[in-house]
Amino acid sequence: DSGVTQTPKHLITATGQRVTLRCSPRSGDLSVYWYQQSLDQGLQFLIQYYNGEERAKGNILERFSAQQFPDLHSELNLSSLELGDSALYFCASSVGSLVGSEQYFGPGTRLTVT
Amino acid sequence: AQSVTQLGSHVSVSEGALVLLRCNYSSSVPPYLFWYVQYPNQGLQLLLKYTSAATLVKGINGFEAEFKKSETSFHLTKPSAHMSDAAEYFCAVRDTGFQKLVFGTGTRLLVSP
Repeated sequence: DSGVTQTPKHLITATGQRVTLRCSPRSGDLSVYWYQQSLDQGLQFLIQYYNGEERAKGNILERFSAQQFPDLHSELNLSSLELGDSALYFCASSVGSLVGSEQYFGPGTRLTVT
Repeated sequence: AQSVTQLGSHVSVSEGALVLLRCNYSSSVPPYLFWYVQYPNQGLQLLLKYTSAATLVKGINGFEAEFKKSETSFHLTKPSAHMSDAAEYFCAVRDTGFQKLVFGTGTRLLVSP
């Protein structure tokens, strides 16, 4: 158990819908990262937050957004869902801005868009 | 930009045999490198990391990796495979100037009795 929790574990929804994925980082970790894992794209970085502020953006679609709340949990919002958005979404956390600090991953949320 | 290449999408070994999973990196600066393992229907678990302190890095579950600058490699090894090692393994590098990880395409390790 990494200490990172993600809910829900599975999510099945229809095209055009909007969903919210939730992540709670390890106790004491200030940085949260979101990654997408799909068969065709592999593991791709989406976005990072550090202590409530957006720190870095990766291959995140405009239909997707995220935020980190004062209690440090984070939410990833996916809207106008398409079939191609079906994937595993991982959240990871790390202690902070130390370059060498490792990231600990949650169990993921499997999103299926039908 | 930093990148890693994992050679071989599948590697098959017999139980008790040497495990060697290959990873080559591309980096303009000394890299921070990581190996993660993903068991079926689970998240990624950190096996080990290289942060320039030592070229031979020991990780969990008997795995180790050696950083070779001359070969730009960071291969993962284990002397004796166990059935429980069957999983997908990802090599990753910390992106320059950022903390995000850039992952390789992964290598699925199959262990036969």
